[in-house]
Amino acid sequence: DTGVSQDPRHKITKRGQNVTFRCDPISEHNRLYWYRQTLGQGPEFLTYFQNEAQLEKSRLLSDRFSAERPKGSFSTLEIQRTEQGDSAMYLCASSRSGTGGRLAGANVLTFGAGSRLTVL
Amino acid sequence: GQQLNQSPQSMFIQEGEDVSMNCTSSSIFNTWLWYKQDPGEGPVLLIALYKAGELTSNGRLTAQFGITRKDSFLNISASIPSDVGIYFCAGHTQGAQKLVFGQGTRLTINP
Repeated sequence: DTGVSQDPRHKITKRGQNVTFRCDPISEHNRLYWYRQTLGQGPEFLTYFQNEAQLEKSRLLSDRFSAERPKGSFSTLEIQRTEQGDSAMYLCASSRSGTGGRLAGANVLTFGAGSRLTVL
Repeated sequence: GQQLNQSPQSMFIQEGEDVSMNCTSSSIFNTWLWYKQDPGEGPVLLIALYKAGELTSNGRLTAQFGITRKDSFLNISASIPSDVGIYFCAGHTQGAQKLVFGQGTRLTINP
């Protein structure tokens, strides 16, 4: 397993354009998370999936943002009509769900390298 | 917004020195995780803590889950140049599935 993969690593776009990011999680992980990180800040939660179900969305996820995980494997995050304030690093993470503590590695998130978005 | 207060925000130390940083919250946490992030990369897990009072080591790193479940600390002993980076505490509050992050501690090491 190569860990969590994100594509593209960098995206520069003009304001008003749509962008899509893809995340491939660790294969045995059933949970997938999207976070946003701006310069000098910690990652902020956007949304998460358990299998194909989107179970929680942050208020940060405006109507212009949509995330999907159609087959419970890879996920996409689309931003429509991008704004300069959308410029950030978009991080994807995956984990196993449930209890079990340390031995199960439950709820320990493994992050990808991120997709950096610059909106001009 | 963020529920975790991490301090200090930045540290400038000499190689070989020990480092200590901590994280506090007004909420009770069920897990505490410490991550390190290098420029342009995603956070990498260092230590995971699951029980109040737990003290766990990973090489030169030691972390503790506070007994009140509202704080955690991370110590790095005998720092080396590759310890440079940003360290984040993170945790799950009761009943929550999302991981909440602190603002980070930026560590700089003078050779």
